[in-house]
Amino acid sequence: AQTVTQSQPEMSVQEAETVTLSCTYDTSESNYYLFWYKQPPSRQMILVIRQEAYKQQNATENRFSVNFQKAAKSFSLKISDSQLGDTAMYFCAFMKHIYVDEKLTFGTGTRLTIIP
Amino acid sequence: NAGVTQTPKFRVLKTGQSMTLLCAQDMNHEYMYWYRQDPGMGLRLIHYSVGEGTTAKGEVPDGYNVSRLKKQNFLLGLESAAPSQTSVYFCASSTEREGNNEQFFGPGTRLTVL
Repeated sequence: AQTVTQSQPEMSVQEAETVTLSCTYDTSESNYYLFWYKQPPSRQMILVIRQEAYKQQNATENRFSVNFQKAAKSFSLKISDSQLGDTAMYFCAFMKHIYVDEKLTFGTGTRLTIIP
Repeated sequence: NAGVTQTPKFRVLKTGQSMTLLCAQDMNHEYMYWYRQDPGMGLRLIHYSVGEGTTAKGEVPDGYNVSRLKKQNFLLGLESAAPSQTSVYFCASSTEREGNNEQFFGPGTRLTVL
């Protein structure tokens, strides 16, 4: 079974700073997907960024980027120029390759607070 | 499009009562899921469905039943609620298309069992 570990229960940074959230995972699969989801106080789960394991290039979405280290099974999220709206719970999640298993396995989350 | 909707948004039950949570999606997605979220834990999969008329157990299925009679709806039932089922429940859906496997989530249902 896959496991996803987020070792930082809480983090806080000043507005406009850069912050990195950590995620490690354990799997015997060679092809899979990794995700970061954001859950603001509204409780809505929002996809932030997605990485396919067979792609060596790190995914980027505007101010959000990942550092994917496949050999180390590490998948960190970097938020640049942080904004007050980035305050939320962030969950790292793992999925086996499509058509094999569509289920998401989530980490326990990191509560991120952006300080004005 | 409304996306994924959940009914109700809040509910309080007494131990032993039954209820059904309704999830509906208007994106013609094949796959649907029910998760629960508890404090200090990520979302855990209860049951899921890969198509109309099919269901399968997830990580924490005990005490729950599901049905997918129509492609757009996925029902989660609690036959005899227990305090351990106090949680926030999320429904999600996704398509089977390669390279487009994002799961879209509903707004959640907060359930309290007294």
